[in-house]
Amino acid sequence: AQTVTQSQPEMSVQEAETVTLSCTYDTSENNYYLFWYKQPPSRQMILVIRQEAYKQQNATENRFSVNFQKAAKSFSLKISDSQLGDTAMYFCAFMKILVYGNKLVFGAGTILRVKS
Amino acid sequence: DVKVTQSSRYLVKRTGEKVFLECVQDMDHENMFWYRQDPGLGLRLIYFSYDVKMKEKGDIPEGYSVSREKKERFSLILESASTNQTSMYLCASSLRRLGLAGARSYNEQFFGPGTRLTVL
Repeated sequence: AQTVTQSQPEMSVQEAETVTLSCTYDTSENNYYLFWYKQPPSRQMILVIRQEAYKQQNATENRFSVNFQKAAKSFSLKISDSQLGDTAMYFCAFMKILVYGNKLVFGAGTILRVKS
Repeated sequence: DVKVTQSSRYLVKRTGEKVFLECVQDMDHENMFWYRQDPGLGLRLIYFSYDVKMKEKGDIPEGYSVSREKKERFSLILESASTNQTSMYLCASSLRRLGLAGARSYNEQFFGPGTRLTVL
C-alpha cells in the first residue's frame, strides 16, 4: 500500500520570503502522479501543482515549484515570494492509476502561515 | 468551471440516527469519491464509484455505505451515526481516463466544499 508522509505539521514564513514544504512517499508502482493541494480557511481544496512520475523535469506553476527526486521518493513544494493568501493547509498526495480511474492517497498535511 | 456541491456545510446529528450526505457534480465525471478529513490524518478515502451503481471500498469503509443511482450524484450514508464519525467529509469527482500529455484536467480530482458533521 502507498503511504505519504509530511513531516512538518506547521510552518511559518515572512511575506515575500521562500518556504519549502517536505513530502516523502512509499510505493512500488512505476507509473503514478504526485500532487500538492491547498486548503485555505474556506475549506475548498485547490490543486496547486502536479508532477508525472515519468517526467524528470520538475513542475512549476508561477511561484510554486517542486523538487521531485524519484529514487529518493521525495516531492517537496517550494513557494517563492510568499503572499498572505498562501496561508492554508497544504496536502501532498500520491495518485495510483487504476484500470477504471485513479485513487489519491494523502499525507497528513502541513499548516503554512504567512506573516506580514 | 467544474462544480462539485455538497448538500450541507454543517450538520449536527444524534447518535444512532441515519445520516445522508449528498454530493452533486455538473461535469459528467465518471468517478466520484468520498473522503473523511481528520486533524493529523489528512484525507482518507471511504468509498469511490467509477460508474452508476458501481462502488469500491476505500481505506476506511466500515460504518459507511454509498449510493450512486445517477451519474451526477453520489451519496454517503451513515446507517447509525456514532460519535467517532464526527469529522469533515469531502466529496470529489474526476474523469475516468487519463488524457494525453498536457491535458491536465483529465486526472485531476475536483473537490466540493466539505460537510462538517458533528454526532452528539
